[in-house]
This record gives sequence, structure tokens and C-alpha cells, in this order.
Amino acid sequence: IQMTQSPSSLSASVGDRVTITCRASQSIGTFLNWYQQRPGKGPKLLIYAVSILQTGVPSRFSGSGSGADFTLTISSLQPEDFATYHCQQSFSTPLFTFGQGTKLEIK
Amino acid sequence: EVQLVETGGGLIQSGGSLRVSCVGSGFNVSTNYMTWVRQAPGKGLEWVSVLYSGGSTYYADSVKGRFTISRDNSKNTLHLQMNSLRVEDTAMYYCARQDHYCTSASCWPYFQHWGQGTLVIVSS
Repeated sequence: IQMTQSPSSLSASVGDRVTITCRASQSIGTFLNWYQQRPGKGPKLLIYAVSILQTGVPSRFSGSGSGADFTLTISSLQPEDFATYHCQQSFSTPLFTFGQGTKLEIK
Repeated sequence: EVQLVETGGGLIQSGGSLRVSCVGSGFNVSTNYMTWVRQAPGKGLEWVSVLYSGGSTYYADSVKGRFTISRDNSKNTLHLQMNSLRVEDTAMYYCARQDHYCTSASCWPYFQHWGQGTLVIVSS
């Protein structure tokens, strides 16, 4: 299963609302996770099963979608949110493919 | 507290072999699904291999036949033996624990715990 994120990069300002999309090459139901990765660090789980926030993740993050189209929304960007975001499908066991990543930069 | 620490990365010539390791703490590696994920410089994440608690192993097509995942229960450590290395294997290698969110309807896998990574550079 191929995962395609858009855009590949995005410039935004603190306080902006940002949406990142992820499209699967086939239906994956609700088996979709989102990760945040800061430079030089390992990925951090943000959201699993499309919309369930990992404990400790701020409520400004939200996820939606089903089937093959999904979105990650950050309602009001904070300085610590500038990072790279990855989607991952966990439908096709055991090979859980990732999207190519979306780099969120400060405008 | 769950922690994963990778070691063993380095610079190796094409065709060579290298073993990277991941020491777990705060949980038992042997009773969990453990995964290797890699990230080439400037690229996205690529799932590489998984070792299930029951011992089953799976590999991405790009490494099948060249990489072997294993664990040492006595040292609570996950290994990835990499043979016949290619320039395109150059990447940061992360280990991760696969967890699941389960309801009566289904179980949704995800990777909550990751290490900091170990860098493998394959030169030509």
C-alpha cells in the first residue's frame, strides 16, 4: 500500500490553522497513524486509529478521514509544532508503510 | 519507563556487514512485537522488519535475503544483522515497539515507543 502526503512542505506562521493530507493507494479503513519528528530525533506518535490522540498530545492536533483519504489538522500553530509529520497505514500487516513526510516550516 | 537505545551504526563499505542493536528497558523485548524502521538522509520513514513475540519475522522486499532480525532475551536486546550492504541502505535505523489499541471490533497497531536511532553509512 502506497501512502502519499501533501504537501511535501509547508510554510506557516504561529497561530495559523494547518491541514496535511494523506492518501492511501487503497482503502485502509481507519488504520491510519500520524507521527511528528523534530530534527535529529526519533518520531513521536501523535494520533492513532485516525483520530485518537496519544496521551499528552495537545488538543490543537486532530485527525479525520476514513477509507483512503485522511487529514491531520493543527488548529493554532505553536513554535514547537514546526517539524516533519508522517502518516502511516497499519492495515496491511505486517508491512506498515509511511508517507514521504510533510515538513512544516516557519514562514 | 519504556526506553529503546540503538547502537552499532557506523561507516561500512558496500558489500560489507554490520549488526545494529536495540536495548530495551522498562519492558520485555521478547513479549512484544519489535520493529526496525529506517530513514535515508532527507527522506521519509521506511518500515524494514518486524519480529513478533512468537518468533515470526517479516522483511521489506528491499532487504529480504540480506537482513536478519533477531533478539537476545537474556540481554533484552533486538538485533538487525545487515549483510551485503548497499549504498542505498545508508540511513538512520530506528527500533520501535509495536503496540495496539483494541476494542471488541478490532485492534489498531501503532508505534508509540521509538529509539533515538543509529546511523549506518554505506560507502561505495
